[in-house]
Amino acid sequence: GENVEQHPSTLSVQEGDSAVIKCTYSDSASNYFPWYKQELGKRPQLIIDIRSNVGEKKDQRIAVTLNKTAKHFSLHITETQPEDSAVYFCAASKVDFGNEKLTFGTGTRLTIIP
Amino acid sequence: KAGVTQTPRYLIKTRGQQVTLSCSPISGHRSVSWYQQTPGQGLQFLFEYFSETQRNKGNFPGRFSGRQFSNSRSEMNVSTLELGDSALYLCASSPGLWSEKLFFGSGTQLSVL
Repeated sequence: GENVEQHPSTLSVQEGDSAVIKCTYSDSASNYFPWYKQELGKRPQLIIDIRSNVGEKKDQRIAVTLNKTAKHFSLHITETQPEDSAVYFCAASKVDFGNEKLTFGTGTRLTIIP
Repeated sequence: KAGVTQTPRYLIKTRGQQVTLSCSPISGHRSVSWYQQTPGQGLQFLFEYFSETQRNKGNFPGRFSGRQFSNSRSEMNVSTLELGDSALYLCASSPGLWSEKLFFGSGTQLSVL
């Protein structure tokens, strides 16, 4: 089955700096890659997702890049703010109606230092 | 529109007991999936239902089971509880035909003593 590895497990950055979280996946057939943010004591929420036919996607201060050849994808957060402090999970799935399973990474705890 | 609702919010059980968790998806969502969240392990996929049918199952023992009703509400059952079953159990629903763009509930925190 699919295996997703996520690095680093913890990350601290100064407010205003950029943060990058990287994930690798094992199944070359995977074609859907979402990122979820989970603030302390709250439910995970989808922040951005990308499909394998796209190399990069941006939404304001966050962006995701995908390298299908190397089987890795990354989350980039620019101009970090205190509210970006949370645990971020990457995931991978092969979209095949009725057969998809979303496999999550183990999470990255991001701390923004004021 | 109301979000995904999970009940109960907290549950304390002892080893050997069984437990049933409930999930009400967002109105109109037909896909419901369940995840186990433990510190350091991230979110582990349990199973996914669509229109009352289990479409996928994760690598959990047969003690973990679930079902979905005609109104899309779902239940998850764990029998013969073990200490290692202590975790946050999250339910998620999605609007499409498959499990993308998940909307999570707040979860049920299960403690097994």
